[in-house]
Amino acid sequence: DAGVTQSPTHLIKTRGQQVTLRCSPKSGHDTVSWYQQALGQGPQFIFQYYEEEERQRGNFPDRFSGHQFPNYSSELNVNALLLGDSALYLCASSTPTGRGNTIYFGEGSWLTVV
Amino acid sequence: KQEVTQIPAALSVPEGENLVLNCSFTDSAIYNLQWFRQDPGKGLTSLLLIQSSQREQTSGRLNASLDKSSGRSTLYIAASQPGDSATYLCAVRRSRDDKIIFGKGTRLHILP
Repeated sequence: DAGVTQSPTHLIKTRGQQVTLRCSPKSGHDTVSWYQQALGQGPQFIFQYYEEEERQRGNFPDRFSGHQFPNYSSELNVNALLLGDSALYLCASSTPTGRGNTIYFGEGSWLTVV
Repeated sequence: KQEVTQIPAALSVPEGENLVLNCSFTDSAIYNLQWFRQDPGKGLTSLLLIQSSQREQTSGRLNASLDKSSGRSTLYIAASQPGDSATYLCAVRRSRDDKIIFGKGTRLHILP
């Protein structure tokens, strides 16, 4: 049973560019959440997708957008990249009706903006 | 606003010692609390999940407790090993909006 998978694992972008990160949830999970983790910090919630719609959003600007596909996989898009966007981006999957259930994380995508 | 604080920020102990990591949270209206391990450059691995109605959970050498009324959780690691070296994060799942709030973690180094 594959867990949460993310791609790419590492990437380098230039300021002003755009990036797309991808996530496939754990089998049986239909809810995907995205987190940003800066060095030395805990993960910060970006947004959550369920039934192909953004259900909740954290305190991130509109440059951060996402999408969920019918197979529950998800993308995170960041436009007009800033140096401060350099971080580990983590995807987590869960089930909305099982709020007591464990949340599973992928290995993350390391983004470096230069 | 839910805040999660982890103390200490870093900890170095000799191999074989028992140790306790602390997590406190300001809003007791939570579904559960989860402890994670993160190795350098890696994602998060779930260690233990404690439901809001539970007091503790155990897995091998790990034991996590939850005192919701006081907003505290502890992760107890028995007979520490060098392989336990990692960052340990706690996270609460907030009831009112189902958001998960993380602490900044405790960086643990076990000295061989």
